[in-house]
Amino acid sequence: EAEVAQSPRYKITEKSQAVAFWCDPISGHATLYWYRQILGQGPELLVQFQDESVVDDSQLPKDRFSAERLKGVDSTLKIQPAELGDSAMYLCASSPRRAVDTQYFGPGTRLTVL
Amino acid sequence: GESVGLHLPTLSVQEGDNSIINCAYSNSASDYFIWYKQESGKGPQFIIDIRSNMDKRQGQRVTVLLNKTVKHLSLQIAATQPGDSAVYFCAEKFQGGSEKLVFGKGTKLTVNP
Repeated sequence: EAEVAQSPRYKITEKSQAVAFWCDPISGHATLYWYRQILGQGPELLVQFQDESVVDDSQLPKDRFSAERLKGVDSTLKIQPAELGDSAMYLCASSPRRAVDTQYFGPGTRLTVL
Repeated sequence: GESVGLHLPTLSVQEGDNSIINCAYSNSASDYFIWYKQESGKGPQFIIDIRSNMDKRQGQRVTVLLNKTVKHLSLQIAATQPGDSAVYFCAEKFQGGSEKLVFGKGTKLTVNP
């Protein structure tokens, strides 16, 4: 069964450092999402791509976060500089098309900022 | 407001019993709802979904009920098993706009053997 791949699974960094997360969606899925999940809470959308274009980044802290999906396939989410409050699980999800609602999630990257 | 909430943060049941997890949503314009299961250290796993033109949908051992009058969603798990222990999230999709999913805070289900 096809799955969303994410790496690394765990990342520990010191504040003010740069970190990057990678996501490879299910093959053929045009829509890709990055979520942040704080412990004990539900995921919150950071950015949504349709192919290579951003369709929603209203909740992305653009002063430090950036995301790209240059070829419309895999994607990278970057944080620079990392802050203590960025410690969370970063989840990637994909769906076949924006209008097709079911999103399939990857295993996530657990970020700890010291 | 744009929020999906849950009535109970934790639920403990005996193995073999039926479980009911509840969810209240606030946006009457939401047209699609999903239940996800999240085990510790893993990403959310799709369980079942329902559209606003339906009241009930059944899957394998799971049933989702939608009451649009009171904006309430529930997930019923039949014959709950230890492997069902996880956090369960409901999510709603607003009609129009960015079409993003809004998640609730989750209910932690513990199945006692």
